[in-house]
Amino acid sequence: DAGVIQSPRHEVTEMGQEVTLRCKPISGHDYLFWYRQTMMRGLELLIYFNNNVPIDDSGMPEDRFSAKMPNASFSTLKIQPSEPRDSAVYFCASSLEGGLAPYNEQFFGPGTRLTVL
Amino acid sequence: GENVEQHPSTLSVQEGDSAVIKCTYSDSASNYFPWYKQELGKRPQLIIDIRSNVGEKKDQRIAVTLNKTAKHFSLHITETQPEDSAVYFCALDTGFQKLVFGTGTRLLVSP
Repeated sequence: DAGVIQSPRHEVTEMGQEVTLRCKPISGHDYLFWYRQTMMRGLELLIYFNNNVPIDDSGMPEDRFSAKMPNASFSTLKIQPSEPRDSAVYFCASSLEGGLAPYNEQFFGPGTRLTVL
Repeated sequence: GENVEQHPSTLSVQEGDSAVIKCTYSDSASNYFPWYKQELGKRPQLIIDIRSNVGEKKDQRIAVTLNKTAKHFSLHITETQPEDSAVYFCALDTGFQKLVFGTGTRLLVSP
C-alpha cells in the first residue's frame, strides 16, 4: 500500500481565497483524522470520521473550516475564506478498527504545508 | 478536555547517553499511550505504544514505562545515536480512537 496520500503537498494562497486539502486513507482503514500542526499550538485534532461519518468535530476552529468524507477512500478539508492565521501543516491520518486491541496505530500522511499571505 | 503535559521541551545529549521524556495526564480512563517520532519536515510515526494492562514495554533501544496510579508515562532511549534526533510526542486516548498529543520534545543527539 502507498500509505496515506495527501494533496497538494504545498499550497500558497492569498487571504480570502478558498483552500481545499485532499486525503486518501490507507485502503480498508475505518478511521480518518485531520490534524493541524503549528509551533504555537502543536498537533491539534480538528475532526475525525468513522466509516465516513463525522464523529467529533469539536476541534474545528470555526465555521470557515469544513470537512467531508463522501466515500471510504477520499476526504477533503476546506477553508473558506482563508486567513493568515490558518498557515500551518495539515496532516491526515487513518487507522484500522478492530482486532484484539481496541486501539490501533494512526498512520499519518506527508502533510500539506499551507501558507496564507 | 484532557491535557497531556510533556517535559522537557528540549533535550540535548551526547551520543551514547540515555534520554528520558516524561508525560503526565489527568484522565484516569485513558488506556492507550503511544509515542510518535517526527523528523524535521516529515510526518509523525509511531515508535512504541503501551496499553494500561502493562507497566513497561521494550523494543531494542527504546522503552516506555507507565504508572497509572501516578498518571505518568515515560519514553526511555538508551545508547542514543545522531539519527535519534527528532521531535518526540507522547499521546493518549480519550475514547473512540481519539488521541490527544503532548507538546513535543525536541531531542538533539550530538556525535
